Amino acid sequence: AQSVTQLDSHVSVSEGTPVLLRCNYSSSYSPSLFWYVQHPNKGLQLLLKYTSAATLVKGINGFEAEFKKSETSFHLTKPSAHMSDAAEYFCVVSELKTSYDKVIFGPGTSLSVIP
Amino acid sequence: EPEVTQTPSHQVTQMGQEVILRCVPISNHLYFYWYRQILGQKVEFLVSFYNNEISEKSEIFDDQFSVERPDGSNFTLKIRSTKLEDSAMYFCASSVIETQYFGPGTRLLVL
Repeated sequence: AQSVTQLDSHVSVSEGTPVLLRCNYSSSYSPSLFWYVQHPNKGLQLLLKYTSAATLVKGINGFEAEFKKSETSFHLTKPSAHMSDAAEYFCVVSELKTSYDKVIFGPGTSLSVIP
Repeated sequence: EPEVTQTPSHQVTQMGQEVILRCVPISNHLYFYWYRQILGQKVEFLVSFYNNEISEKSEIFDDQFSVERPDGSNFTLKIRSTKLEDSAMYFCASSVIETQYFGPGTRLLVL
């Protein structure tokens, strides 16, 4: 069975410092992994995705994530936080079934950026 | 860039009333989904729809809920008799394969 764990419910960083949002997953098969961001009162925006190609994935707004199969992790990083990065971040695991993608959301990590 | 759209953005209704939430998926997408997010909680899968039929549904998606694609472009979620606990943000998503693109959501408040 699939599951997603986001180890930190809340992360706070200073502007200009690195961001690390942690995600661990379990899946019976080779999953696809995603990070989505949700700004206050907004929808879910795709940041980046891993679908069995390169293990280091680059996304929008300077974010990247590394798929580590041995650690079942897909942590999200950014070298330098910006005020506009403050949002809720969701790690998502997906398995392709015959007629749909079975998607499980992690509980989310709220990122605060301190000026 | 094409995107998923949802209407209305906000809906307030009385308990027991029927509501219809509307979504226009990205035009060449084949798979359609509804999710909900109760305030402060995680995003939960409701239902997936492919080839004009439900392909999977969660335990949340009981007989009060239904989906349809009436005209080949819109994708609707109907809640027949709303309950207080149906208050949530409802997201529509669509995909070609693997990557789901989400709409901005409809915030439903049941009084």
